[in-house]
Amino acid sequence: QVQLQQWGAGLLKPSETLSLTCAVHGGSLINHFWTWIRQSPGKGLEWVGESDHRGGINYNSSLVGRVTISVDTSTNQFSLTLTSVTAADTAVYYCVRRRGYDDGWGSYYKYIDVWGKGTTVTVSS
Amino acid sequence: EIVLMQSPGTLSLSPGERATLSCRASQSVSRSKFAWYQQRPGQAPRLLIYGTSNRAPGIPDRFSGSGSGTDFTLTITRLESEDFAVYYCQQFGSYSQTFGQGTQVEVK
Repeated sequence: QVQLQQWGAGLLKPSETLSLTCAVHGGSLINHFWTWIRQSPGKGLEWVGESDHRGGINYNSSLVGRVTISVDTSTNQFSLTLTSVTAADTAVYYCVRRRGYDDGWGSYYKYIDVWGKGTTVTVSS
Repeated sequence: EIVLMQSPGTLSLSPGERATLSCRASQSVSRSKFAWYQQRPGQAPRLLIYGTSNRAPGIPDRFSGSGSGTDFTLTITRLESEDFAVYYCQQFGSYSQTFGQGTQVEVK
């Protein structure tokens, strides 16, 4: 059973850089999409971005220019970097595994099946 | 970006009752790319339904999903104590994904 263990700094000042890492236990990074989701009281659940192990990357358009997601198959970890943070970036950040597969009948399925426990990140001066 | 609107915002029901949760999309969503999640207080969300109507492993059969196009529904046939939680719908586009704002199912 795949489990995700995440860690990173929880308190940042405005303009600093958010860095979080997620270790994948019990499974491989290959053939899945590794995603960051954040949750704040004001914006609910918000997709930050995702990457597969080959570097296929998509980011939330509202974060492009500040966000980087990288996947390291040698350590079985993936990470999130978000630069120039503001109070609006205060949220619980979740690392998750997003499945994607073709059922052979013309349908391509996408869903998130594994979630990390979440890291609370607060941006405050 | 596809916007998902969930209704009602809060559903007050008693254990044993039936819950019907709605999610409406601003444009058509592929059935295979639509999911429902449950979030209990202090926990991460967990997958309930994927591909509109497929229960995730370990999810009881009192949970069911249906819908197509822009209208999707999550039904809980007989609420049990552990079902009182917040429920989110989610859709996946080609290059992005969005969530609904959530429906809280609370004890009446």
